[in-house]
Amino acid sequence: AQSVTQLDSQVPVFEEAPVELRCNYSSSVSVYLFWYVQYPNQGLQLLLKYLSGSTLVKGINGFEAEFNKSQTSFHLRKPSVHISDTAEYFCAVIYTGGFKTIFGAGTRLFVKA
Amino acid sequence: DGGITQSPKYLFRKEGQNVTLSCEQNLNHDAMYWYRQDPGQGLRLIYYSQIVNDFQKGDIAEGYSVSREKKESFPLTVTSAQKNPTAFYLCASSVMTSGGEETQYFGPGTRLLVL
Repeated sequence: AQSVTQLDSQVPVFEEAPVELRCNYSSSVSVYLFWYVQYPNQGLQLLLKYLSGSTLVKGINGFEAEFNKSQTSFHLRKPSVHISDTAEYFCAVIYTGGFKTIFGAGTRLFVKA
Repeated sequence: DGGITQSPKYLFRKEGQNVTLSCEQNLNHDAMYWYRQDPGQGLRLIYYSQIVNDFQKGDIAEGYSVSREKKESFPLTVTSAQKNPTAFYLCASSVMTSGGEETQYFGPGTRLLVL
């Protein structure tokens, strides 16, 4: 079955440290990939997306992600986090031709001073 | 401003009561979706609609109903049959292309609480 796995449910990190949030999907067929951020009591906001082209995708708020087809991964990274990055992050995938967006369970990033 | 609006922000339901959550978009998107989010859990798809006057059940449709009479609007009714309705409800929309679905954009959400 097609699925998305976010390997860490919570990631605590100190301010100004680098962070990587991991995402793997289940199939190597053609995919579109997304990362969303959700602040408390708000909807999801698109951070970045990969549809085709360069495997390194840059998004808003200094985040970037790299599409790795051989490892079926799309990990999200930021070189230096801020307190304001504390939020929940969702990875999502569309298997092209499959029509449906599949969301991961989310990773809660907690940035400490 | 283009976007998706949901109302109300908070909604209280009495036992046995049906309540309707509003979702409106002015992005001219074909497809619209309703998700339920519970604490510590991801998104679960309730219903979706790819075109006006058509909709399909998602993974947890029981106790919910929808309509899609206009492209801009996709209201969700939480019926009395839904025994555990307390959750955060998110509406989303996306463009439909020949290749299928495209990027989903989300509204701000409605929190439903049971009195």
